[in-house]
Amino acid sequence: ILNVEQSPQSLHVQEGDSTNFTCSFPSSNFYALHWYRWETAKSPEALFVMTLNGDEKKKGRISATLNTKEGYSYLYIKGSQPEDSATYLCALTGNQFYFGTGTSLTVIP
Amino acid sequence: DAGVTQSPTHLIKTRGQQVTLRCSPKSGHDTVSWYQQALGQGPQFIFQYYEEEERQRGNFPDRFSGHQFPNYSSELNVNALLLGDSALYLCASSLGAPAYGYTFGSGTRLTVV
Repeated sequence: ILNVEQSPQSLHVQEGDSTNFTCSFPSSNFYALHWYRWETAKSPEALFVMTLNGDEKKKGRISATLNTKEGYSYLYIKGSQPEDSATYLCALTGNQFYFGTGTSLTVIP
Repeated sequence: DAGVTQSPTHLIKTRGQQVTLRCSPKSGHDTVSWYQQALGQGPQFIFQYYEEEERQRGNFPDRFSGHQFPNYSSELNVNALLLGDSALYLCASSLGAPAYGYTFGSGTRLTVV
């Protein structure tokens, strides 16, 4: 079992603020790292898949970086909007996913 | 193109009963994985089915069993329900090993009373 940790557990930010959260994983066990966005009562939606050390991915106002040597990934949201409110899950993958517990983001209008 | 479909969306069962949850994978996907998400935790891997066989299993007791049909749909069965089985059960499909991502269903919320 791989231990994937996410921090913080929850976050409340004002609309327009930029924010970031962390996913930490054992650097010795790495194949790919995934970020998912999960709104209440909906399916988790894939945001990014990253495999290479130093990878940076961007999708609109959301971006992610990966450091496989030190075992962490950051997810950044620039200029948070209320529609960004969701739980953000990271997962380490091989033949199955090892999920973190998620960061719950609430953007206050 | 339909994504992953799970049924039912909500379910209430009594302790000791048995329950069956169903999942239809995304069109073109042949592998189905099941996850349990208890309150305050990340999704935990239950098992994965491919070619109608259980290919991998997480740390869940034998009360949790599954099946995959020739059309790739899958069922999750839980016997002798415990209060601690109350959780959101997610189904995820992929084409082969999900190294590059899953498509998730929206889950079945099971409450055991």
